[in-house]
Amino acid sequence: EAQVTQNPRYLITVTGKKLTVTCSQNMNHEYMSWYRQDPGLGLRQIYYSMNVEVTDKGDVPEGYKVSRKEKRNFPLILESPSPNQTSLYFCASGSGGTFYEQYFGPGTRLTVT
Amino acid sequence: TQLLEQSPQFLSIQEGENLTVYCNSSSVFSSLQWYRQEPGEGPVLLVTVVTGGEVKKLKRLTFQFGDARKDSSLHITAAQPGDTGLYLCAGESDNYGQNFVFGPGTRLSVLP
Repeated sequence: EAQVTQNPRYLITVTGKKLTVTCSQNMNHEYMSWYRQDPGLGLRQIYYSMNVEVTDKGDVPEGYKVSRKEKRNFPLILESPSPNQTSLYFCASGSGGTFYEQYFGPGTRLTVT
Repeated sequence: TQLLEQSPQFLSIQEGENLTVYCNSSSVFSSLQWYRQEPGEGPVLLVTVVTGGEVKKLKRLTFQFGDARKDSSLHITAAQPGDTGLYLCAGESDNYGQNFVFGPGTRLSVLP
């Protein structure tokens, strides 16, 4: 089954404790992206990657890191989480030529206390 | 920063009614996508429109991309309770390497 998987689905952590949210896709997509979704603000793009070893900042990259060492994986790293990073996070992948159609994972609900 | 606005923010209608949701921006997009999101799940792509003036139909859903590629609309005919969800539009900008901007969404509730 073609899918985007994220782990963990739920995470409660404390300020400053480094964490990684994994994202993996089995569709051989070149494009992958991370978003956060907050009430009233919608989905905001954090980082995206056009291909292996190529990453770019989205609209809200501060406090996050990503890496794309393999085509299928695109982990999101929070080196020192803060309460304002409490949010619902989505990973997406896509492929295309002229435009990209994105397929989203199930989401990771992160709470930072 | 590119922005997308959606209206209305909330919409509650009876089964069988028609409705239109709007997505507007002052920016030009290379493509515009519509997604539907249900509680506890990720957004699911409904359609992508690419050409200015393009109209696409998906069963009871009709999507239109504005001539200037700055706005779009989603029209649902004879809404059903299964149409309930959060409808999101997303603009793709090739000025920034396939960066995506999402609107805040329209939350639709179709009552039986």
